[in-house]
Amino acid sequence: NAGVTQTPKFQVLKTGQSMTLQCAQDMNHEYMSWYRQDPGMGLRLIHYSVGAGITDQGEVPNGYNVSRSTTEDFPLRLLSAAPSQTSVYFCASSPQGVEQYFGPGTRLTVT
Amino acid sequence: QKEVEQDPGPLSVPEGAIVSLNCTYSNSAFQYFMWYRQYSRKGPELLMYTYSSGNKEDGRFTAQVDKSSKYISLFIRDSQPSDSATYLCAIPNTNAGKSTFGDGTTLTVKP
Repeated sequence: NAGVTQTPKFQVLKTGQSMTLQCAQDMNHEYMSWYRQDPGMGLRLIHYSVGAGITDQGEVPNGYNVSRSTTEDFPLRLLSAAPSQTSVYFCASSPQGVEQYFGPGTRLTVT
Repeated sequence: QKEVEQDPGPLSVPEGAIVSLNCTYSNSAFQYFMWYRQYSRKGPELLMYTYSSGNKEDGRFTAQVDKSSKYISLFIRDSQPSDSATYLCAIPNTNAGKSTFGDGTTLTVKP
């Protein structure tokens, strides 16, 4: 199993550009989440999904959209990038809702 | 009040020291208490977790929960330079497969 994969690993955007961060898992986990991590801070929840076709907002959803058309994939879309969205983004999946398995992260810089 | 708060650190200890990492939580209904380890520029990985109260031991690591004081701890015995990482405590929402994380404590173990 590849586990949770994320692409790209690094990305630089200009203010106002849009892009999609990809996340996929091959463990057949129902639960998936997106977090951002800023220096000196823990992980903050952006959006999450309890199964295909079901998504909900987390703590910091503004400026981000998600969809979950399959169990495997959970892409995160930045609609109009802002410097405040410079961060490291982690995708995670969970089989039973307790432990989470994280991807390697995407480092995003918005100039 | 945040759901979970973590002693900020950073911590720097000599090799072989006993390390204590601590968090407090706000809701007495929480049942699962998680510890994740995050190496520099990597995704978090689950280290261990406890259910309800008491201790759980895994090699040099012990996780402890005191529900009366809403206090969770991770102890590392005979610390090694390879233990140098950021440690994150977390409370999962088991119905949604998401978690609330502490801000993390960065540990450096010096040879």
